[in-house]
Amino acid sequence: EDKVVQSPLSLVVHEGDTVTLNCSYEVTNFRSLLWYKQEKKAPTFLFMLTSSGIEKKSGRLSSILDKKELFSILNITATQTGDSAIYLCAGGFISNFGNEKLTFGTGTRLTIIP
Amino acid sequence: DAGVTQSPTHLIKTRGQQVTLRCSPKSGHDTVSWYQQALGQGPQFIFQYYEEEERQRGNFPDRFSGHQFPNYSSELNVNALLLGDSALYLCASSRGGLTSSYEQYFGPGTRLTVT
Repeated sequence: EDKVVQSPLSLVVHEGDTVTLNCSYEVTNFRSLLWYKQEKKAPTFLFMLTSSGIEKKSGRLSSILDKKELFSILNITATQTGDSAIYLCAGGFISNFGNEKLTFGTGTRLTIIP
Repeated sequence: DAGVTQSPTHLIKTRGQQVTLRCSPKSGHDTVSWYQQALGQGPQFIFQYYEEEERQRGNFPDRFSGHQFPNYSSELNVNALLLGDSALYLCASSRGGLTSSYEQYFGPGTRLTVT
């Protein structure tokens, strides 16, 4: 059965700190690893990673995938209070119809203290 | 460009009742996936619709059913509601087919409370 495990479950840091969120996965017919930020309701798409070792960056956020060791990390530098949220990691696999199903981890709750 | 929309926002139902939730995908998207998110958990995959057919299904009982319309919008139906069905129901849309990017974009969700 597909499985995605995130760590830590929660993290509290001070504004300006750098954080690293971890995600390990066991997903049959794996195709991609996705990161989402969930503040109130709708998870907001951050990154989709399909190739090992290639870092994706967006502002202060970056992520990388290791397909050999089956994990991904999400880094946030110079954290701000607006970064407080639940960060979800999902493993995606492709069906015979060419569509993707996502298996989510339980998320990491990040709290930034001013 | 309208994103994914869902209705209603909140819903309160009684055990044993039936409920229908609705989703309109992002413009240009043709695939709709439904997820159930219980408090403190990540979203759990219910099923996915593409070309008006259920293409994949997660570990949910037959009480959960759905439909996709020709305009790509979708409905999620839950029969014989249980207290444990109380959750946030999320709809995500993407572009399907073998040449798509597969990135799924989520709607704001419907908060269902079963009493």
